[in-house]
Amino acid sequence: DTAVSQTPKYLVTQMGNDKSIKCEQNLGHDTMYWYKQDSKKFLKIMFSYNNKELIINETVPNRFSPKSPDKAHLNLHINSLELGDSAVYFCASSQGLAGGRSEQYFGPGTRLTVT
Amino acid sequence: AQSVTQLGSHVSVSEGALVLLRCNYSSSVPPYLFWYVQYPNQGLQLLLKYTTGATLVKGINGFEAEFKKSETSFHLTKPSAHMSDAAEYFCAAAGYSTLTFGKGTMLLVSP
Repeated sequence: DTAVSQTPKYLVTQMGNDKSIKCEQNLGHDTMYWYKQDSKKFLKIMFSYNNKELIINETVPNRFSPKSPDKAHLNLHINSLELGDSAVYFCASSQGLAGGRSEQYFGPGTRLTVT
Repeated sequence: AQSVTQLGSHVSVSEGALVLLRCNYSSSVPPYLFWYVQYPNQGLQLLLKYTTGATLVKGINGFEAEFKKSETSFHLTKPSAHMSDAAEYFCAAAGYSTLTFGKGTMLLVSP
């Protein structure tokens, strides 16, 4: 069974479109995260949710809106896509309070290409 | 706040040779330190972590790392490289809030 899954794996779209990426974890964790990995492989936290509540929002444009319907799911909706949004987006989860100290389990990533 | 510096964006070794990937950190609080590995087109997988206590930490696949507070370092080593070790390696540090990653080091292993 996949611990942290993301859909879709690849997403190609045009500038100005709106798209969503879905994430689900079956580990029973309390905390979920979204990371962005740019073309130089640099990983940066975007959001963190603990029990459906937003905990961390790291100066991400408000075109990005995370939604957590329950603690096993954290979706990422992106409005008005721009070329600079092209990246690999990783979902992750961990047990306990939001923060970096717990081991995080990562999904396989969603490669977003904006043309 | 914390920051992580990985020296060398690429490290090349021969199969059977020692692997040494360097990581230095800065943190305003005692950090938790991690090494993650990313194989091509996959997510990150935890190799090992340091929290408190013993400064030499052993992880999966024969990797280990030593926390040296005086040097603010957490270098990753493996005595003998395998072809299957070729991947991107990320060092990360956690204070009380977020996990901060270094820029990664690509390990290349030649026969």
